[in-house]
Amino acid sequence: QQQVKQSPQSLIVQKGGISIINCAYENTAFDYFPWYQQFPGKGPALLIAIRPDVSEKKEGRFTISFNKSAKQFSLHIMDSQPGDSATYFCAASYPGNTGKLIFGQGTTLQVKP
Amino acid sequence: ETGVTQTPRHLVMGMTNKKSLKCEQHLGHNAMYWYKQSAKKPLELMFVYNFKEQTENNSVPSRFSPECPNSSHLFLHLHTLQPEDSALYLCASSQDDGKPQHFGDGTRLSIL
Repeated sequence: QQQVKQSPQSLIVQKGGISIINCAYENTAFDYFPWYQQFPGKGPALLIAIRPDVSEKKEGRFTISFNKSAKQFSLHIMDSQPGDSATYFCAASYPGNTGKLIFGQGTTLQVKP
Repeated sequence: ETGVTQTPRHLVMGMTNKKSLKCEQHLGHNAMYWYKQSAKKPLELMFVYNFKEQTENNSVPSRFSPECPNSSHLFLHLHTLQPEDSALYLCASSQDDGKPQHFGDGTRLSIL
């Protein structure tokens, strides 16, 4: 049972364009939704995160949009740059201090110059 | 040194060998985690330690044995591994509520 479904699996965007990655979750108990960025040979790095009481969060060129009723959230990368080329993972966490993160399958983003 | 440090970065071992992976965090966190990252699969949580106590074992085979001597160090002892255990093993740490988690760069493990 895949609790967090991520799409697309891969994405190619031109420099300056908008990259959009979508995730859907099943468990309404999740209370924290982070996005991670991973470059080859590196571990995932936290990019931005949101809690379900907020519909949107923006940090620089990165925005999370959250739709609680649809159980979906998405990452928007504005003005995409070649340096943004990486694999992006969405995740969802249970409440409390379980520390259990459920990850999506990842999206490989390529930004063409 | 800051962040989460994992050693070794690469490890090749035979199926009958015994080896250990090490993780150290310099962030003052109370919780530490082991994840397995295989190609084309989501990151899989293996173990969670909170204040040195194991709070989660995600049905991991006994050939993987974790050890957490203190809140800054985490080990994964490996023995009699299988070829399907070849993967990137990631360590993470967090405050005790688990949010957010900070990852190391992983150990790339290859089983011959």
